[in-house]
Amino acid sequence: DQQVKQNSPSLSVQEGRISILNCDYTNSMFDYFLWYKKYPAEGPTFLISISSIKDKNEDGRFTVFLNKSAKHLSLHIVPSQPGDSAVYFCAADNNDMRFGAGTRLTVKP
Amino acid sequence: EADIYQTPRYLVIGTGKKITLECSQTMGHDKMYWYQQDPGMELHLIHYSYGVNSTEKGDLSSESTVSRIRTEHFPLTLESARPSHTSQYLCASSPMGTPEQYFGPGTRLTVT
Repeated sequence: DQQVKQNSPSLSVQEGRISILNCDYTNSMFDYFLWYKKYPAEGPTFLISISSIKDKNEDGRFTVFLNKSAKHLSLHIVPSQPGDSAVYFCAADNNDMRFGAGTRLTVKP
Repeated sequence: EADIYQTPRYLVIGTGKKITLECSQTMGHDKMYWYQQDPGMELHLIHYSYGVNSTEKGDLSSESTVSRIRTEHFPLTLESARPSHTSQYLCASSPMGTPEQYFGPGTRLTVT
């Protein structure tokens, strides 16, 4: 039973444009949400997070939005850079972290 | 910068062999985890530990075992490798009180 879903396996955007990565979850008990970034042959690295008491968290070019009523979160990257090309995993936690399957982002120069 | 290490990075081994995947962290984190990930799939938790002498099984049924004799070391052992064990194995750690996990680079295991 997959509690965290990333329905887009891949996304391609032009350099300088906005990248929007989406994630849906089913368990309303999740109270903390995270995004991880993974390059080939490396482990995931923590990128940004948001608590369920907030609806937005921003860190430089990265912003995470949380819509609890829709059980949906998204990661916005503005402006996108070629170095952002990686697989992005969303995760949801309530003392039991669950990960999505990842979205491969390709930023074209 | 997270300091968590996994060895070997790549391993090809024959069916029936016993293998141990090593994971060490130098951050003094109490919590450590082992995940299995196949390409295009989510990470599946196979084992976790909340401290020395604490080990628990995760959601994914696994024929592996773990030990936590020292805070910094969390090895995973497969007593008899099978082709179905072919996957990437990721180790992670986190301090108490925070959900952010720090991942090692992974071990890509192929069982022939």
